[in-house]
Amino acid sequence: AQSVTQLGSHVSVSEGALVLLRCNYSSSVPPYLFWYVQYPNQGLQLLLKYTTGATLVKGINGFEAEFKKSETSFHLTKPSAHMSDAAEYFCAVSDEGGKLIFGQGTELSVKP
Amino acid sequence: DAGVIQSPRHEVTEMGQEVTLRCKPISGHDYLFWYRQTMMRGLELLIYFNNNVPIDDSGMPEDRFSAKMPNASFSTLKIQPSEPRDSAVYFCAVRAGMNTEAFFGQGTRLTVV
Repeated sequence: AQSVTQLGSHVSVSEGALVLLRCNYSSSVPPYLFWYVQYPNQGLQLLLKYTTGATLVKGINGFEAEFKKSETSFHLTKPSAHMSDAAEYFCAVSDEGGKLIFGQGTELSVKP
Repeated sequence: DAGVIQSPRHEVTEMGQEVTLRCKPISGHDYLFWYRQTMMRGLELLIYFNNNVPIDDSGMPEDRFSAKMPNASFSTLKIQPSEPRDSAVYFCAVRAGMNTEAFFGQGTRLTVV
């Protein structure tokens, strides 16, 4: 069965610093992987996704993620954090039946 | 499409009462999911449908919870009777296929007192 582990429930960075949010997955089939962002009192919205093809995926708001099959990882990065990036971030994997399984989430804080 | 529409946005009810949460999905999306989000347990998948048929309800916590999707345009999640531990934000989401993104509604914040 597919599963997702996000390392670190809280990450704090300074404005302008690198953002790195970690995600490892478990999948018995080639995975479809997603990162979502949730702002307070809102639903989740897609940042980026990996299905097939290029392993470095670019998303909205300057975020990108790299699929590394050998490490079963799909870490999310942004070169320079902005105050508006403060939110909760979720990594997700889709199984062959269409089920979308989410990690526990990582809350990102950005300090001025 | 206006997106996934959930109603009500907020619900406060007394313990023991029946609660019905509603979801109007985007047309053309074959999968519909109900999730529950709490601080303690994060985002939990309760049940999902494919082409209006329930596929996996293993996440439904108890028999007090039930979900229906009578047609492609509407789904409900019912809790009867409700308990304070059911207090959470409930999300409805849809997706077109296994390699596509899911679109989420704004959620229903349920408080059971």
